[in-house]
Amino acid sequence: AVQMTQSPSSLSASVGDRVTITCRASQDIKNDLGWYQQKPGEAPKVLIYTASSLQSGVPSRFSGSRSGTDFTLTISSLQPEDFATYYCLQDYNYPYTFGQGTKLEIK
Amino acid sequence: QVQLQQWGAGLLKPSETLSLTCGVNGGSFSNFYWTWIRQPPGEGLEWIGEINYRGGTNYNPSLKSRVTMSVDRSKNQFSLRLSSVTAADTAVYFCAAVPTSGAYYMDVWGKGTSVTVSS
Repeated sequence: AVQMTQSPSSLSASVGDRVTITCRASQDIKNDLGWYQQKPGEAPKVLIYTASSLQSGVPSRFSGSRSGTDFTLTISSLQPEDFATYYCLQDYNYPYTFGQGTKLEIK
Repeated sequence: QVQLQQWGAGLLKPSETLSLTCGVNGGSFSNFYWTWIRQPPGEGLEWIGEINYRGGTNYNPSLKSRVTMSVDRSKNQFSLRLSSVTAADTAVYFCAAVPTSGAYYMDVWGKGTSVTVSS
């Protein structure tokens, strides 16, 4: 199975900060990666698909990029509602696999 | 807009079979892959598998020997069964819809069903 190594596992930041979260795939997965946001007690919500496509309705402060097997989610200017846990998901090979998650907390 | 409503037993004893169903409201049942994901308490997400409207499946090998997914097109529902459960299967189980056209993403989610396995 493709292993997704996500970092950091937790992150403290302030409103207005620029934040980056990274997922590294254990093999080439092309652009077959999505980013999901999950708030406590809720189902995850898709933010980004195919590495860099912004899901409809998601604020433009969220962006995704790829460099080889490294994928990055960037939040350009943190808003209070962005404090949540973020997961990457590869859909290149079965079984699809998630990163371990990054908990974004208020500093 | 597709909406998913899920239900099923929330408390099981070891060795019993977990059974969950997800009802689909709105949209076309044939336009999605129907997916199950789970999340143990305080942990991350695990992809369990998916089924299409014709009943074709892909399962996570880590659960494959115990998992069965099915669809009931007449009722616009899809289901998950996981046999011989243990405490390690305690988790919130989510159903999700993935559009069959274009890019892959889990577009719509159910609210989740908390399942506890305990003697």
